[in-house]
Formats: sequence, C-alpha cells, structure tokens
Amino acid sequence: AQKITQTQPGMFVQEKEAVTLDCTYDTSDQSYGLFWYKQPSSGEMIFLIYQGSYDEQNATEGRYSLNFQKARKSANLVISASQLGDSAMYFCAMREGAGSARQLTFGSGTQLTVLP
Amino acid sequence: DAGVTQSPTHLIKTRGQHVTLRCSPISGHKSVSWYQQVLGQGPQFIFQYYEKEERGRGNFPDRFSARQFPNYSSELNVNALLLGDSALYLCASSFWQSEAGELFFGEGSRLTVL
Repeated sequence: AQKITQTQPGMFVQEKEAVTLDCTYDTSDQSYGLFWYKQPSSGEMIFLIYQGSYDEQNATEGRYSLNFQKARKSANLVISASQLGDSAMYFCAMREGAGSARQLTFGSGTQLTVLP
Repeated sequence: DAGVTQSPTHLIKTRGQHVTLRCSPISGHKSVSWYQQVLGQGPQFIFQYYEKEERGRGNFPDRFSARQFPNYSSELNVNALLLGDSALYLCASSFWQSEAGELFFGEGSRLTVL
C-alpha cells in the first residue's frame, strides 16, 4: 500500500482565493511526522510546514496551515490568499518513528496553478 | 547564510559510465541525505549520513554508494549507469537535534544518461 497518497495530480485556483491540497498517509507507528514541501520549476524542494503526530493543534506557518485529522489519517495543506508565486509542485511527506531516522517518504505530488 | 549547494547542476553521461555528485550542507548541519527524483514522481530516499556514518539506506542497488567527509560534505557515486538512472538527484541536510527533523534541500543535480 502507498504510504503517502496525493489524489490530485493538478489543481487550479484563482489568485487571492484559498486552496486545499489533499494528503492521506498510512503508518502503524505511533510517532511520526508529516511535512509539506513546495517544488518550483527550479527543482529545489522548499520546506513549508511540519505536523508531529502528538501535536494537538494544527500547524500554521504564515499563509500555510495543515489540517491534521489523525483518525482519518489525513494531513491536508491549506494555502490562504493564493499568489501567482504559489504555482509549483507540492509534495506531502512522512517520517515514521522517532529517534535518529530522518528518512522521508514522499507522495506523487500535486501541481498547483494559480490563475490571475 | 548559504543553503545546501550541489554540483554539478546538470550532466550528461552514457550507459556504463560512472558519476560522482557532490553536496555541501548548511553550516551547522551534520546530517546529509540523498534522494532520487524521477520525472513526474516524488523523491525517493537513497542514503542518509550523520557524523560520517551511514544511518539509512533506501531500496537501491549496490551501484549506488555514498560517503560523508569530516567537513560534513558528501558525495554520491553511481557506477555502471543505466538509462533508468536519469533523474534529479537531491541532497538535503538537517539539524540532527531538531525535533521535526525537517530536511533542507539543494537545487539538485540533473543527470541524463544516454
């Protein structure tokens, strides 16, 4: 089974509107972390936001928030007030377990296009 | 502050050749990881190094090897290149003591195998 599933290959949003990018995950670990990264056409993966499995509050970073629903195993990214510069590929990723491992498992990504 | 730097940015090789990719982590980061991103897919974990020791290895053949140097920079080596090795190779560094363990990526080395 896929560990990270992103079901939206492509999404369009009007500038200044909010958009939600979906991510579901599969793990049997109690301790895990969930990440969202942005990849512009330059190729660099840019860290956006992190949610730990024990965090009770949804993570927020500026215009980015992570809608964490543990029972449903979903970690959707919400981008408020979209900007043209938000057009990029977005990846959801998971780190399983605690301790020394820093290995991330990535989903297949969602291509977001912001329309003027 | 400089981010993660990788070299070369682009390279073209032929089947059977070998390639060495280089990475310098963010200052203060002692952990380096390598990922392979094939076109249209998410990155896949290859290796992780911390304090010059291998701490994790993904599902890649023995043709792939890596090492980390005393200054925490790293090299990824791929021998006997195959067409399927064509990909963007991403290096990431992290601050080991960070609870989240978020990775900070470079812009990658884009390898084309002909």
